[in-house]
Amino acid sequence: DIQMTQSPSTLSASVGDRVTVTCRASQSISSWLAWYQQKPGKAPKLLIYEASTLKSGVPFRFSGSGSGTEFTLTISSLQPDDFATYYCQHYSDNSWAFGQGTKVEFK
Amino acid sequence: EVHLVESGGGLVKPGGSLRLSCAASGFTFSAYSMTWVRQAPGKGLEWVSSISSNGVYIYYADSVKGRFTVSKDNAKNSLYLQIHSLRVEDTSVYYCARIEYSNVFNYWGQGALVTVSS
Repeated sequence: DIQMTQSPSTLSASVGDRVTVTCRASQSISSWLAWYQQKPGKAPKLLIYEASTLKSGVPFRFSGSGSGTEFTLTISSLQPDDFATYYCQHYSDNSWAFGQGTKVEFK
Repeated sequence: EVHLVESGGGLVKPGGSLRLSCAASGFTFSAYSMTWVRQAPGKGLEWVSSISSNGVYIYYADSVKGRFTVSKDNAKNSLYLQIHSLRVEDTSVYYCARIEYSNVFNYWGQGALVTVSS
């Protein structure tokens, strides 16, 4: 099975900061990677799919990049609504896998 | 508007059984594959099981294989997860979600809490 490893596990930042979260796959997964945002007590929300395609309605300050084994989620200017936990997710061979999550908290 | 509502959660003793339901509305349920994802308290997301649009193809995470059974009733616009031999470590919020063509989960329910405790 392909393992997804996110870093960092926690990220302390301030409003206006540029924030980057990394997700590494144990083997090449082409561009089959998605990113989700989850707030406490709520269901996750899809932000980005196929590594870099922004879901309709998601603010443009969110972007995704990467291919192969290394992927990044970038928030260009952190807003108060962005403090949350972010997960990467991959699909292959009839199995889905999530990274362990990155919590973005107030510095 | 797509709407997914889970039900059937609750407190169950170890070794017990439970059936979760997910009622779907706002889209052609029979045209979509569906999935269950769970989240233990304070932990990350874990994929549990997926089922194809017509219910023919079914997949499970290794951690639940043999104890969980997913099914889909297109006539009732409903997804189910039957759980047997419940363990304390199955305590989680269970979410149903719709699978999109890129194998991502675009719409989610609000979740159903399953607590396994004696």
